[in-house]
Amino acid sequence: DAKTTQPPSMDCAEGRAANLPCNHSTISGNEYVYWYRQIHSQGPQYIIHGLKNNETNEMASLIITEDRKSSTLILPHATLRDTAVYYCIVRVTGTASKLTFGTGTRLQVTL
Amino acid sequence: DSGVTQTPKHLITATGQRVTLRCSPRSGDLSVYWYQQSLDQGLQFLIHYYNGEERAKGNILERFSAQQFPDLHSELNLSSLELGDSALYFCASSQSGGHSTDTQYFGPGTRLTVL
Repeated sequence: DAKTTQPPSMDCAEGRAANLPCNHSTISGNEYVYWYRQIHSQGPQYIIHGLKNNETNEMASLIITEDRKSSTLILPHATLRDTAVYYCIVRVTGTASKLTFGTGTRLQVTL
Repeated sequence: DSGVTQTPKHLITATGQRVTLRCSPRSGDLSVYWYQQSLDQGLQFLIHYYNGEERAKGNILERFSAQQFPDLHSELNLSSLELGDSALYFCASSQSGGHSTDTQYFGPGTRLTVL
């Protein structure tokens, strides 16, 4: 699986958009980008995934660059409950049982 | 709430002992995955079962074993416990066999403390 690089930490004011970047410059054409988050010591929570098109769901938007070497997770109106560690994961198509978690980005949402 | 349940929530035991962690997948999911999260190693994949059969193995120690039963619940058995086995153990489930668009949903975890 391709390696991902994320900033170790970010701050965001409540109510503002949180834009979390992820670099995956070695991604292959058949690899998906997944985002999970982990609030304190709870189980990781699935947020969104995409291959090459931008995706949006009720939680967030995922913007993938045209060359697919980087992506941005956007939380449109961050709240204190969005404070968590966010993981960007690249998964290859085919049999891809495991999720390989890196160190993620610790997002702190403040008043 | 992901729909994945894990018991117990907390477990405190002594070195050398054996414990069993239990996981019930979301309704309709055929795959179960186990992950370990320790302070120094982060989240690590241990093992994947699909419809009762082992599909993939990660960094799982020989002292650890797992199985998935006909009703699709899974158990992770940890034996000859060491202090370093203290960690959070998460179970995840997915609908099918683990291909790259098969989203995994995680349970709340079991916190194991070995004294």
